[in-house]
Amino acid sequence: GAGVSQSPSNKVTEKGKDVELRCDPISGHTALYWYRQSLGQGLEFLIYFQGNSAPDKSGLPSDRFSAERTGGSVSTLTIQRTQQEDSAVYLCASSQTGVRTDTQYFGPGTRLTVL
Amino acid sequence: AQSVTQLGSHVSVSEGALVLLRCNYSSSVPPYLFWYVQYPNQGLQLLLKYTTGATLVKGINGFEAEFKKSETSFHLTKPSAHMSDAAEYFCAVTFSTGTASKLTFGTGTRLQVTL
Repeated sequence: GAGVSQSPSNKVTEKGKDVELRCDPISGHTALYWYRQSLGQGLEFLIYFQGNSAPDKSGLPSDRFSAERTGGSVSTLTIQRTQQEDSAVYLCASSQTGVRTDTQYFGPGTRLTVL
Repeated sequence: AQSVTQLGSHVSVSEGALVLLRCNYSSSVPPYLFWYVQYPNQGLQLLLKYTTGATLVKGINGFEAEFKKSETSFHLTKPSAHMSDAAEYFCAVTFSTGTASKLTFGTGTRLQVTL
């Protein structure tokens, strides 16, 4: 595709509900990243995919967070039993190969609000 | 510990004035360095990056940055600010250890441009 797309752009949910956030990376990019942007924590890394595998999940804040990637393309970030502290903008990025020098291209983000 | 620091959460300049946004890193091995810009309600866009070679890097929209190993710095400059430069700017690095390609971000600097 022309760029990284994310859906939905905004999500409002009630505390305790599950949410799914979707990311469509640039076609052909093997590396995919999820980051979270919040007022208190700034921009923080969540998880990295290379193909369909996730060699680094170290940024996931709790076991309520999980992510998968299928077909080396689309990724879904799932948050179970949402809490108010999960409110943030969730950003997805992709890069061509995942090496350190690669440019990561970011999507517009999904703004999650947990009431 | 490896980290990246942006000095000044808010910077205000007059249109036509020099823009200087500061970024310092802490790492025993110099990282690769990136500057991203975020306009309201948008994802992050790469301005420029330093990986190897010439330490003065030119980016989009007239921005440039110089990698100074002795000062562990990668400050972003633009000779003449334009109203359209008002945005939030993030310095980011990829360190040589761990998941080498994940970005570690500074806390961001919001640039205001006044008439």
